[in-house]
Amino acid sequence: GQQLNQSPQSMFIQEGEDVSMNCTSSSIFNTWLWYKQDPGEGPVLLIALYKAGELTSNGRLTAQFGTTRKDSFLNISASIPSDVGIYFCAGQLRNFGAGKSTFGDGTTLTVKP
Amino acid sequence: EAQVTQNPRYLITVTGKKLTVTCSQNMNHEYMSWYRQDPGLGLRQIYYSMNVEVTDKGDVPEGYKVSRKEKRNFPLILESPSPNQTSLYFCASSSTSTHQDGYQEPQYFGPGTRLLVL
Repeated sequence: GQQLNQSPQSMFIQEGEDVSMNCTSSSIFNTWLWYKQDPGEGPVLLIALYKAGELTSNGRLTAQFGTTRKDSFLNISASIPSDVGIYFCAGQLRNFGAGKSTFGDGTTLTVKP
Repeated sequence: EAQVTQNPRYLITVTGKKLTVTCSQNMNHEYMSWYRQDPGLGLRQIYYSMNVEVTDKGDVPEGYKVSRKEKRNFPLILESPSPNQTSLYFCASSSTSTHQDGYQEPQYFGPGTRLLVL
């Protein structure tokens, strides 16, 4: 079935640094999603991407839908301690049936003050 | 406020004692789903439902049951829990609308239920 490779698995950065993470797939998606999970909570949607090549920002977060439709990346600029958490990518494809997503394994971000 | 709620948030039980985790959404979403999250294994789908009275197995359905009698509720039932079902469980929902460009709405997650089976 569909699989997503998300990297890096974990990151330890200093407050103020920029962060970049990505997801790649062996097959295409027509929607890419990025979620953040705080410790002890459910994933919260950060950014949704619907078109190949699309670049979307949400505050300090920027995400892009790769032109091949097989990858996506998420950048966080000027990180702050509350950015700590697990970031998940997810892909959706119409043929899966509406709502069904394939998830990456997550990138765990630690920000040192 | 649009949300997915789960109850209980934390549960400790013993092997074999039937339990139900409730999930409810107030967004009129057709699609609902249950996931479990375990260290190193990511989010794995247990069951999902495309609409009332329509349910189907996900990737790890063994030991679980679900029902969808109403659009807003999607309870997860463990008839005879075992220690390997100790996990963090998430309910999620989304609209099944397919837009003109072909994309579907994203899933929105509940806050999670942490289950410990002794």
